[in-house]
Amino acid sequence: DSGVTQTPKHLITATGQRVTLRCSPRSGDLSVYWYQQSLDQGLQFLIQYYNGEERAKGNILERFSAQQFPDLHSELNLSSLELGDSALYFCASSPPGSRWTDTQYFGPGTRLTVL
Amino acid sequence: GNSVTQMEGPVTLSEEAFLTINCTYTATGYPSLFWYVQYPGEGLQLLLKATKADDKGSNKGFEATYRKETTSFHLEKGSVQVSDSAVYFCALSGESGSEKLVFGKGTKLTVNP
Repeated sequence: DSGVTQTPKHLITATGQRVTLRCSPRSGDLSVYWYQQSLDQGLQFLIQYYNGEERAKGNILERFSAQQFPDLHSELNLSSLELGDSALYFCASSPPGSRWTDTQYFGPGTRLTVL
Repeated sequence: GNSVTQMEGPVTLSEEAFLTINCTYTATGYPSLFWYVQYPGEGLQLLLKATKADDKGSNKGFEATYRKETTSFHLEKGSVQVSDSAVYFCALSGESGSEKLVFGKGTKLTVNP
């Protein structure tokens, strides 16, 4: 158990819908990262928040957005869903200070299926 | 940008066999290198890491050495077990000081008894 929690575990929805994925980092961690794992694209970095502020952005679609709240949990919002958005979405967190030498601890993921 | 190339497999071995999974990278600067493992139905777990050239990471019998001259970080284990069956990902971070992880495509390992 990494200490990072993600809900829900599974999500099934229809094209055009909007969903929210939730992540709680390990106690004391300030950084939250979101990654998408799909069969064709592999594991791709989406976005990073540090202590409530966006720190880095990766291959995140405009239909997707995220935020980190004062209690440090984060939410990833996916809207106007398409079939191709079906994937595993992972959240990770890392210790305060967040340097690129630090280990990122991953949650169990949310499996999104768009029908 | 930075990138990671690893042998895609799948790799099938018998118990107690020697394992090598090759990983090479392209990066500017001095990235940190990681091996993560994903067991069926689970998230990614850090297996080992190295943060500077010639560092050796090791854990649970697995080892990898950060070789800057060959831009490689190959994963090895002398004697695999059935419980090592999983998908292994090589990754790097540090592009322009960024903490984001750049992953290889993963190598699926199956160990048969």
